[in-house]
Amino acid sequence: ETGVTQSPTHLIKTRGQQVTLRCSSQSGHNTVSWYQQALGQGPQFIFQYYREEENGRGNFPPRFSGLQFPNYSSELNVNALELDDSALYLCASRRSGGSYNEQFFGPGTRLTVL
Amino acid sequence: DAKTTQPNSMESNEEEPVHLPCNHSTISGTDYIHWYRQLPSQGPEYVIHGLTSNVNNRMASLAIAEDRKSSTLILHRATLRDAAVYYCILRDPGVIQGAQKLVFGQGTRLTINP
Repeated sequence: ETGVTQSPTHLIKTRGQQVTLRCSSQSGHNTVSWYQQALGQGPQFIFQYYREEENGRGNFPPRFSGLQFPNYSSELNVNALELDDSALYLCASRRSGGSYNEQFFGPGTRLTVL
Repeated sequence: DAKTTQPNSMESNEEEPVHLPCNHSTISGTDYIHWYRQLPSQGPEYVIHGLTSNVNNRMASLAIAEDRKSSTLILHRATLRDAAVYYCILRDPGVIQGAQKLVFGQGTRLTINP
């Protein structure tokens, strides 16, 4: 139990639709990252938010976007869904600053695109 | 991002020590070595990290080669709950301010036999 929650746990969409995934960070954590994990692969970094601004992005197209709110909860939005977007989406939070602060991952949202 | 190489899978017996190797021959002087693990149907969880010296915590030990081109995660007495995919990750904390980008490889799938 990491204190990071994600909703929904599972979601089925069709190609071309849009989806919003939500993440609630652990209390006191001001930095959140999102990862995509395809079946049988390691998680791939999508982007990171710190103080409500994106400050790092992986190799994902602009149709992947996000928001971080003042209470440090976060959303991942994906537009124009493609079949390859089917994956487990993970969010991870941590407290910025200090010599090292480990990331705490949520259980993920399983997205299926038909 | 510097690359790590791990065996695809390993198998061990319950209550025996497990040594999980990781090669990172292109590691830079400022890269930290991190280990995360992912239990079935869960998000990754932090295990341990280090820079140059060997490290111990309640979960595991991390042995780092003198030239830092390899490291070994040691589980002293494996239990069935340790069955997971273990990821060895290099991260330079100075690349982006507050960055928490983790670059996951395929990891090592550890099976524990009762």
